[in-house]
Amino acid sequence: DAGVTQSPTHLIKTRGQQVTLRCSPKSGHDTVSWYQQALGQGPQFIFQYYEEEERQRGNFPDRFSGHQFPNYSSELNVNALLLGDSALYLCASSKPGLGQETQYFGPGTRLLVL
Amino acid sequence: SQQGEEDPQALSIQEGENATMNCSYKTSINNLQWYRQNSGRGLVHLILIRSNEREKHSGRLRVTLDTSKKSSSLLITASRAADTASYFCADYNQGGKLIFGQGTELSVKP
Repeated sequence: DAGVTQSPTHLIKTRGQQVTLRCSPKSGHDTVSWYQQALGQGPQFIFQYYEEEERQRGNFPDRFSGHQFPNYSSELNVNALLLGDSALYLCASSKPGLGQETQYFGPGTRLLVL
Repeated sequence: SQQGEEDPQALSIQEGENATMNCSYKTSINNLQWYRQNSGRGLVHLILIRSNEREKHSGRLRVTLDTSKKSSSLLITASRAADTASYFCADYNQGGKLIFGQGTELSVKP
């Protein structure tokens, strides 16, 4: 049973560019959440997708957008990259439930913006 | 800020010793979870303690919850070098968002 997978593992971009990160949830999971983790900090919630719609959103600008596909996989898009967007981006999936279930995390995508 | 507060920020111990890390929130705790992260990789779920529970065990892990103080503690007994990692507490806020603490960096020396 494959866990949560993310691609790519590492990415280098320059300021102003756009980036797309991908995530496949754990088998049987239908909810995908995205987090940004700056160096030395805890993960910060970006948004959550369920039934192909954004269900929850954290305190992130509109430059951060996402999508969920019918097979429950998800993408995170960041436009007009800033140096401060350099971070580890984590995807997590969870089973259908009351919304307060255990999150299963992928290995993350490390983004460096130059 | 809704972020959980953890202390200590860093902890260094010898193998075989116990490690205790604490977490507190400014708002009421719902379903508090503890996660481990090795070397900036993905987080691994360790244990979940619900608001109506006071203590929970899983192997060498013991978690306590004090809802009146809005705080939780994670105890790792008989630590091993492989326990070296960052440990994060996380709880769902009223809006249903998972809010993490800043983490405790644990170093276990052989």
